[in-house]
Amino acid sequence: GAVVSQHPSRVICKSGTSVKIECRSLDFQATTMFWYRQFPKKSLMLMATSNEGSKATYEQGVEKDKFLINHASLTLSTLTVTSAHPEDSSFYICSAPEGFTQYFGPGTRLTVL
Amino acid sequence: AQTVTQSQPEMSVQEAETVTLSCTYDTSENNYYLFWYKQPPSRQMILVIRQEAYKQQNATENRFSVNFQKAAKSFSLKISDSQLGDTAMYFCAFMTHTGTASKLTFGTGTRLQVTL
Repeated sequence: GAVVSQHPSRVICKSGTSVKIECRSLDFQATTMFWYRQFPKKSLMLMATSNEGSKATYEQGVEKDKFLINHASLTLSTLTVTSAHPEDSSFYICSAPEGFTQYFGPGTRLTVL
Repeated sequence: AQTVTQSQPEMSVQEAETVTLSCTYDTSENNYYLFWYKQPPSRQMILVIRQEAYKQQNATENRFSVNFQKAAKSFSLKISDSQLGDTAMYFCAFMTHTGTASKLTFGTGTRLQVTL
Protein backbone atom coordinates (compact mmCIF):
# COMPACT_ATOMS: atom_id res chain seq x y z
CA GLY A 1 0.00 0.00 0.00
CA ALA A 2 0.84 3.67 -0.15
CA VAL A 3 3.21 5.15 2.43
CA VAL A 4 2.59 8.24 4.52
CA SER A 5 5.24 9.68 6.80
CA GLN A 6 4.97 12.07 9.72
CA HIS A 7 7.62 14.14 11.41
CA PRO A 8 8.44 14.41 14.22
CA SER A 9 7.28 11.20 15.84
CA ARG A 10 7.54 12.72 19.29
CA VAL A 11 7.86 16.28 20.50
CA ILE A 12 7.98 17.90 23.92
CA CYS A 13 7.57 21.65 24.17
CA LYS A 14 6.97 24.36 26.73
CA SER A 15 3.60 25.96 27.18
CA GLY A 16 3.14 28.94 24.89
CA THR A 17 5.38 27.75 22.09
CA SER A 18 4.29 26.61 18.64
CA VAL A 19 4.89 23.18 17.18
CA LYS A 20 4.80 22.14 13.52
CA ILE A 21 4.00 18.60 12.42
CA GLU A 22 4.64 17.48 8.84
CA CYS A 23 2.71 14.87 6.92
CA ARG A 24 4.07 13.57 3.61
CA SER A 25 2.74 11.14 1.04
CA LEU A 26 5.91 9.39 -0.10
CA ASP A 27 4.95 7.57 -3.27
CA PHE A 28 1.76 9.24 -4.38
CA GLN A 29 0.18 12.66 -4.63
CA ALA A 30 -2.69 13.79 -2.45
CA THR A 31 -4.76 16.89 -3.07
CA THR A 32 -6.50 16.22 0.21
CA MET A 33 -5.09 15.09 3.55
CA PHE A 34 -6.78 14.64 6.90
CA TRP A 35 -5.66 15.44 10.42
CA TYR A 36 -6.89 13.47 13.43
CA ARG A 37 -6.41 13.65 17.14
CA GLN A 38 -6.49 10.56 19.32
CA PHE A 39 -6.78 10.45 23.10
CA PRO A 40 -5.51 7.38 24.99
CA LYS A 41 -7.61 4.28 24.35
CA LYS A 42 -10.07 6.31 22.27
CA SER A 43 -11.00 6.48 18.64
CA LEU A 44 -9.69 8.97 16.11
CA MET A 45 -11.34 12.35 16.04
CA LEU A 46 -11.17 14.22 12.75
CA MET A 47 -9.87 17.74 13.25
CA ALA A 48 -9.67 19.10 9.72
CA THR A 49 -9.38 18.39 6.04
CA SER A 50 -6.32 19.85 4.37
CA ASN A 51 -6.80 20.95 0.76
CA GLU A 52 -3.91 21.62 -1.60
CA GLY A 53 -4.05 25.17 -2.88
CA SER A 54 -6.97 26.26 -0.73
CA LYS A 55 -8.05 26.71 2.87
CA ALA A 56 -8.47 23.80 5.21
CA THR A 57 -11.92 22.72 6.31
CA TYR A 58 -12.22 22.42 10.09
CA GLU A 59 -14.60 20.22 12.03
CA GLN A 60 -17.02 21.80 14.42
CA GLY A 61 -15.39 22.77 17.67
CA VAL A 62 -11.83 22.83 16.33
CA GLU A 63 -10.15 26.23 16.66
CA LYS A 64 -8.74 27.15 13.26
CA ASP A 65 -6.49 29.85 14.74
CA LYS A 66 -4.98 27.37 17.14
CA PHE A 67 -4.48 24.51 14.69
CA LEU A 68 -3.08 26.04 11.52
CA ILE A 69 -3.03 23.81 8.48
CA ASN A 70 -1.07 24.43 5.30
CA HIS A 71 -1.15 22.10 2.30
CA ALA A 72 1.95 23.39 0.58
CA SER A 73 2.23 20.82 -2.19
CA LEU A 74 0.67 17.63 -3.50
CA THR A 75 2.79 15.61 -1.08
CA LEU A 76 3.03 17.78 2.03
CA SER A 77 0.59 19.06 4.62
CA THR A 78 1.59 20.69 7.90
CA LEU A 79 -0.26 21.15 11.16
CA THR A 80 0.98 23.89 13.46
CA VAL A 81 -0.25 23.94 17.04
CA THR A 82 0.08 27.59 18.04
CA SER A 83 0.63 28.76 21.61
CA ALA A 84 0.43 25.19 22.83
CA HIS A 85 -0.96 24.43 26.27
CA PRO A 86 -0.94 21.21 28.31
CA GLU A 87 -4.48 20.39 27.16
CA ASP A 88 -3.16 20.20 23.59
CA SER A 89 -1.03 17.20 24.57
CA SER A 90 -2.23 14.32 22.48
CA PHE A 91 -1.45 11.92 19.64
CA TYR A 92 -1.90 13.53 16.22
CA ILE A 93 -2.29 11.40 13.11
CA CYS A 94 -2.55 12.38 9.47
CA SER A 95 -3.92 10.42 6.54
CA ALA A 96 -3.81 10.76 2.79
CA PRO A 97 -6.05 9.01 0.29
CA GLU A 98 -4.86 6.99 -2.66
CA GLY A 99 -7.95 6.27 -4.65
CA PHE A 100 -10.70 5.68 -2.12
CA THR A 101 -8.49 4.28 0.61
CA GLN A 102 -6.94 6.36 3.36
CA TYR A 103 -3.39 5.61 4.40
CA PHE A 104 -2.16 6.84 7.74
CA GLY A 105 1.06 8.32 9.01
CA PRO A 106 2.69 6.80 12.10
CA GLY A 107 1.49 9.64 14.31
CA THR A 108 3.09 12.35 16.43
CA ARG A 109 2.96 12.34 20.19
CA LEU A 110 2.86 15.91 21.48
CA THR A 111 3.57 16.67 25.11
CA VAL A 112 3.18 20.25 26.31
CA LEU A 113 4.78 20.99 29.66
CA ALA B 1 -24.87 12.16 9.63
CA GLN B 2 -23.28 8.77 9.56
CA THR B 3 -22.57 6.79 12.71
CA VAL B 4 -20.52 3.66 13.26
CA THR B 5 -21.08 1.39 16.26
CA GLN B 6 -18.74 -1.24 17.60
CA SER B 7 -20.49 -2.90 20.51
CA GLN B 8 -17.57 -5.01 21.73
CA PRO B 9 -15.02 -2.89 23.63
CA GLU B 10 -12.76 -5.88 24.25
CA MET B 11 -12.40 -9.41 22.96
CA SER B 12 -10.02 -12.25 23.53
CA VAL B 13 -9.19 -15.25 21.34
CA GLN B 14 -6.73 -18.08 21.57
CA GLU B 15 -4.03 -18.46 19.01
CA ALA B 16 -5.15 -20.39 15.91
CA GLU B 17 -8.83 -19.84 16.73
CA THR B 18 -11.35 -17.71 14.83
CA VAL B 19 -12.88 -14.50 16.11
CA THR B 20 -15.52 -12.16 14.73
CA LEU B 21 -15.67 -8.45 15.47
CA SER B 22 -18.98 -6.71 14.95
CA CYS B 23 -19.73 -3.34 13.39
CA THR B 24 -22.98 -1.68 12.49
CA TYR B 25 -23.49 1.67 10.84
CA ASP B 26 -26.24 4.08 10.06
CA THR B 27 -26.49 6.05 6.84
CA SER B 28 -29.00 7.24 4.30
CA GLU B 29 -26.43 7.00 1.52
CA ASN B 30 -26.52 4.21 -1.05
CA ASN B 31 -22.92 4.42 -2.25
CA TYR B 32 -20.17 4.19 0.32
CA TYR B 33 -17.08 2.33 1.46
CA LEU B 34 -16.45 0.42 4.65
CA PHE B 35 -13.07 -0.33 6.16
CA TRP B 36 -11.44 -2.18 8.99
CA TYR B 37 -8.24 -0.69 10.32
CA LYS B 38 -5.89 -2.23 12.86
CA GLN B 39 -3.92 -0.18 15.39
CA PRO B 40 -1.25 -2.24 17.19
CA PRO B 41 0.64 -0.92 20.23
CA SER B 42 2.90 1.07 17.90
CA ARG B 43 -0.25 3.13 17.13
CA GLN B 44 0.31 2.94 13.37
CA MET B 45 -3.08 2.63 11.68
CA ILE B 46 -2.97 -0.24 9.19
CA LEU B 47 -5.63 -1.04 6.62
CA VAL B 48 -6.93 -4.56 7.09
CA ILE B 49 -9.70 -4.79 4.53
CA ARG B 50 -12.17 -2.65 2.61
CA GLN B 51 -15.57 -3.19 1.02
CA GLU B 52 -17.40 -1.18 -1.62
CA ALA B 53 -21.09 -1.05 -0.83
CA TYR B 54 -22.14 -1.72 -4.42
CA LYS B 55 -20.31 -5.05 -4.39
CA GLN B 56 -22.35 -7.94 -3.05
CA GLN B 57 -19.37 -10.24 -2.71
CA ASN B 58 -17.71 -10.12 0.68
CA ALA B 59 -14.12 -8.91 0.66
CA THR B 60 -11.33 -11.25 1.79
CA GLU B 61 -7.65 -10.67 2.47
CA ASN B 62 -5.84 -13.85 3.46
CA ARG B 63 -6.99 -14.69 7.02
CA PHE B 64 -9.32 -11.68 7.16
CA SER B 65 -12.81 -11.64 5.71
CA VAL B 66 -15.94 -9.60 6.17
CA ASN B 67 -19.62 -10.37 6.35
CA PHE B 68 -21.28 -7.39 4.70
CA GLN B 69 -25.04 -7.21 5.14
CA LYS B 70 -26.13 -4.01 3.41
CA ALA B 71 -29.80 -4.20 4.33
CA ALA B 72 -28.95 -4.77 7.97
CA LYS B 73 -26.14 -2.18 7.81
CA SER B 74 -23.74 -4.64 9.33
CA PHE B 75 -20.06 -5.13 8.53
CA SER B 76 -18.35 -7.74 10.72
CA LEU B 77 -14.72 -8.81 10.50
CA LYS B 78 -13.68 -12.44 10.81
CA ILE B 79 -10.11 -13.28 11.66
CA SER B 80 -9.20 -16.91 11.04
CA ASP B 81 -6.20 -18.75 12.48
CA SER B 82 -5.55 -15.87 14.90
CA GLN B 83 -1.92 -14.98 15.49
CA LEU B 84 -0.23 -13.15 18.35
CA GLY B 85 0.54 -10.34 15.95
CA ASP B 86 -3.18 -9.76 15.50
CA THR B 87 -3.32 -8.28 19.00
CA ALA B 88 -4.41 -4.69 18.40
CA MET B 89 -7.23 -2.20 18.48
CA TYR B 90 -9.56 -2.69 15.52
CA PHE B 91 -11.58 0.19 14.14
CA CYS B 92 -14.48 -0.04 11.74
CA ALA B 93 -14.82 3.00 9.48
CA PHE B 94 -17.30 4.41 6.98
CA MET B 95 -16.71 6.72 4.04
CA THR B 96 -19.31 8.25 1.75
CA HIS B 97 -18.64 7.79 -1.96
CA THR B 98 -18.55 11.34 -3.28
CA GLY B 99 -16.35 10.79 -6.31
CA THR B 100 -13.20 11.56 -4.39
CA ALA B 101 -11.90 10.35 -1.07
CA SER B 102 -13.75 11.98 1.78
CA LYS B 103 -13.47 11.84 5.52
CA LEU B 104 -13.77 8.66 7.52
CA THR B 105 -16.21 8.12 10.35
CA PHE B 106 -14.77 5.71 12.90
CA GLY B 107 -16.33 3.43 15.46
CA THR B 108 -15.10 3.41 19.03
CA GLY B 109 -12.91 0.37 18.44
CA THR B 110 -12.57 -3.18 19.72
CA ARG B 111 -9.47 -4.19 21.61
CA LEU B 112 -8.48 -7.72 20.56
CA GLN B 113 -6.12 -9.79 22.63
CA VAL B 114 -4.73 -13.00 21.14
CA THR B 115 -3.51 -15.42 23.80
CA LEU B 116 -1.41 -18.56 23.76
